Order: sequence, then structure tokens, then C-alpha cells
Amino acid sequence: SQKIEQNSEALNIQEGKTATLTCNYTNYSPAYLQWYRQDPGRGPVFLLLIRENEKEKRKERLKVTFDTTLKQSLFHITASQPADSATYLCALDERDNYGQNFVFGPGTRLSVLP
Amino acid sequence: NAGVTQTPKFQVLKTGQSMTLQCAQDMNHEYMSWYRQDPGMGLRLIHYSVGAGITDQGEVPNGYNVSRSTTEDFPLRLLSAAPSQTSVYFCASSFDRGQETQYFGPGTRLLVL
Repeated sequence: SQKIEQNSEALNIQEGKTATLTCNYTNYSPAYLQWYRQDPGRGPVFLLLIRENEKEKRKERLKVTFDTTLKQSLFHITASQPADSATYLCALDERDNYGQNFVFGPGTRLSVLP
Repeated sequence: NAGVTQTPKFQVLKTGQSMTLQCAQDMNHEYMSWYRQDPGMGLRLIHYSVGAGITDQGEVPNGYNVSRSTTEDFPLRLLSAAPSQTSVYFCASSFDRGQETQYFGPGTRLLVL
């Protein structure tokens, strides 16, 4: 069966450290993978997208890697701040004859401690 | 632009009642979708629409109906609410189905007693 897993339900790190979140998938062949941020009581907000032919993508303090052989994406936040505390979701595209939809992982709740 | 708006923010229903969750977007997006979010399960696709007059089922469509009479609006109807439909519902839109970025509304929290 198809599945998307994110490394842990919750992750606590100290301010200033690098947070690394993992997204693993099975039985998909996505053309790209996305990462979203979700704050409590709010909808997800798009952060980054990485395509299957890209190894790495960066945006300010964020970095995403994508290994289609391992079927894994890593999401890094460098120099983390308490304001980075949120739930982070990975999503990948699932294609059929009519186009594509998005499939989401369960999310990892990140807490950055001052 | 208001983006994607959803009403109501919170609703309590009794088993068997019906209701409509409203979703509207002002970005002229063709693709709209409804998800439900449950603890530990991630977002699951209920129904989606690739344009006015065209809808299709997602992963978990049972118990829900949708229609798309205009580009802007995509209401989700619960025909006969069940406790299993207690969840947070999110509407999302993108320019078209091939567009990678989805914009989400703030969500509707639904409790079915």
C-alpha cells in the first residue's frame, strides 16, 4: 500500500541548532515533493518544493533534499528560532490520467526551545 | 485579495443533521479541493474540482457532496452527519491542477455529537 511517514510526531531542539525533519514514502513515484508549515488553528502554508531531478533546494534558512532512490526527503532549518515552532508537513503529487492530487504526511511538530 | 476563506470557523452538529461548509477564493483559481485533518492521519482529500461544473472524488468521499457552480465557490455538504466526521476541514485552491503550490483556508472545526 502507499504510505508517507514523517520521522517523528514531535521534535524538540535548542534555539540556534539545526532542525532536521524526515519524510519517507513507499509505493509512490512523485514528480516533486513539497513542504508546508502549519501553525495551531491555521491552514498549511507552502514553504518549498523540490523536483525529482533536483538534489537540494534552499530558501533563506531552509534547505530541502530529495533522494528518489531512498524515497526520502530531508527538511533542515538552520539557526532555528522559537518562531520556527510549528508542525511541518510533507506532501507529494499523486498522478492519474486526469492530472494530479497531493498526498500529505502526518506532520512533525517542531518545538524550538529558547 | 482575501485568498481562501472558509465559514463557519466552528460548528457543532447532532448525528443525522446536515450542513454546508462554505469555501470561496478570489484568486481566479481553477483547482479547488477539500481535505479533512485528523490527529496522526495527515490531510486526506475528500473531493476536488478542476473547474466550474467539474468535480471528482478523492480518498475519503463517503458522506460528503460537492458542487462547483462558479469558479469562486466550492461548498462541501454533509448529508447526514456522523461522529466519524468530527474533524478539521480545510479548503485549498491552486491556479490549475498541475500547479504545484496550494493555498489553504483557515479551516472549519466540526464536532458531531
